Amino acid sequence: DAGVIQSPRHEVTEMGQEVTLRCKPISGHDYLFWYRQTMMRGLELLIYFNNNVPIDDSGMPEDRFSAKMPNASFSTLKIQPSEPRDSAVYFCASQMGGSGYTFGSGTRLTVV
Amino acid sequence: AQSVSQHNHHVILSEAASLELGCNYSYGGTVNLFWYVQYPGQHLQLLLKYFSGDPLVKGIKGFEAEFIKSKFSFNLRKPSVQWSDTAEYFCAVTGEYGNKLVFGAGTILRVKS
Repeated sequence: DAGVIQSPRHEVTEMGQEVTLRCKPISGHDYLFWYRQTMMRGLELLIYFNNNVPIDDSGMPEDRFSAKMPNASFSTLKIQPSEPRDSAVYFCASQMGGSGYTFGSGTRLTVV
Repeated sequence: AQSVSQHNHHVILSEAASLELGCNYSYGGTVNLFWYVQYPGQHLQLLLKYFSGDPLVKGIKGFEAEFIKSKFSFNLRKPSVQWSDTAEYFCAVTGEYGNKLVFGAGTILRVKS
């Protein structure tokens, strides 16, 4: 298994632009999570899905952030418009109910 | 709400020294407990996990952790660290249905060769 696959690995964008981060979970995993990691705030859970349905989006910072999971093998996290304070590493993780999470390699986002 | 507290933010050890990283959690029900490691510039990797049974859990790379329910603790240990153990270590907890994984702030370990 290739594990959780995230793209792109690095993204540099200008303030105000739309950014889309992508994640392919491990086949058969029924939970998908989006985390953000910064020096100041550590690892924050943004949103998670179960069977493609968003369950808890209370960690999404504001309306500029949105996430979708159109099918079991793909999810996106979109920021529109992006701001410099969104600069962080965004991790996607997947889980089969009750087991440990498997994390992707992350997307390092820099908004200038 | 669940929360996780890691006692030390930075730890510096010499090679062959013993390691113990503290982790306490706050949650009233049944918990699942995890330790993850993040090597510089890499993603999080699972070191070990506790769901039930023997409270002493052995993980990869010689790490182990002990769940002490009465102390709400899940400390990570390794008898003899190596330079390659330099990384950031995260304790994490979920409730019994294993959904939201809540992380501690992390402990940065630097091992001097």
